[in-house]
Amino acid sequence: GAGVSQSPRYKVAKRGQDVALRCDPISGHVSLFWYQQALGQGPEFLTYFQNEAQLDKSGLPSDRFFAERPEGSVSTLKIQRTQQEDSAVYLCASSSRTLTGTGNTIYFGEGSWLTVV
Amino acid sequence: AQSVTQLDSHVSVSEGTPVLLRCNYSSSYSPSLFWYVQHPNKGLQLLLKYTSAATLVKGINGFEAEFKKSETSFHLTKPSAHMSDAAEYFCVVTPYNNNDMRFGAGTRLTVKP
Repeated sequence: GAGVSQSPRYKVAKRGQDVALRCDPISGHVSLFWYQQALGQGPEFLTYFQNEAQLDKSGLPSDRFFAERPEGSVSTLKIQRTQQEDSAVYLCASSSRTLTGTGNTIYFGEGSWLTVV
Repeated sequence: AQSVTQLDSHVSVSEGTPVLLRCNYSSSYSPSLFWYVQHPNKGLQLLLKYTSAATLVKGINGFEAEFKKSETSFHLTKPSAHMSDAAEYFCVVTPYNNNDMRFGAGTRLTVKP
């Protein structure tokens, strides 16, 4: 497709269960971002990839969160032993350039809605 | 450090009247600033961006924003609201050469008929 695609769109997980969220960025985009958006809040940065390299993971809230992009295209965000506070929308975004500060446009997917019960 | 403050969590206007969504930022660097819109169950869509060129930035759907360094503000405006403008709006700041986009908490715009 033409945009950033995320799956699943909706996921309900039991507390303690592991989940994996997938992101298909726009073809050819080198930069890929993951954000977490809690209900009623703005998105918060989790991690950033430039091609297959994870250059910044400073926003990951705990070691239960892990992201990968092994071939520099599709990315997976994995959450182990989910907890209720992990309930949020997880947004993936991509851009064609490597530096956002140059006014580079970032394109967002529609998000994966995770509910932990 | 950088941050964004959206001064109103909720703004309600009547259709056809002006829209003003306020945003103040702080940044240690020369920032880039963005406004994104999020419709229910939809992804974030870029409205406009400021990247140290013209201080008055025009975006899609008739929106524009003015960068005022002296006031550290980047308010979003539209002369005449349309029902389809009802959504959540996010102001975003990122310092130059940095990939860490910081979002404000969002402003929910309601448009009354």
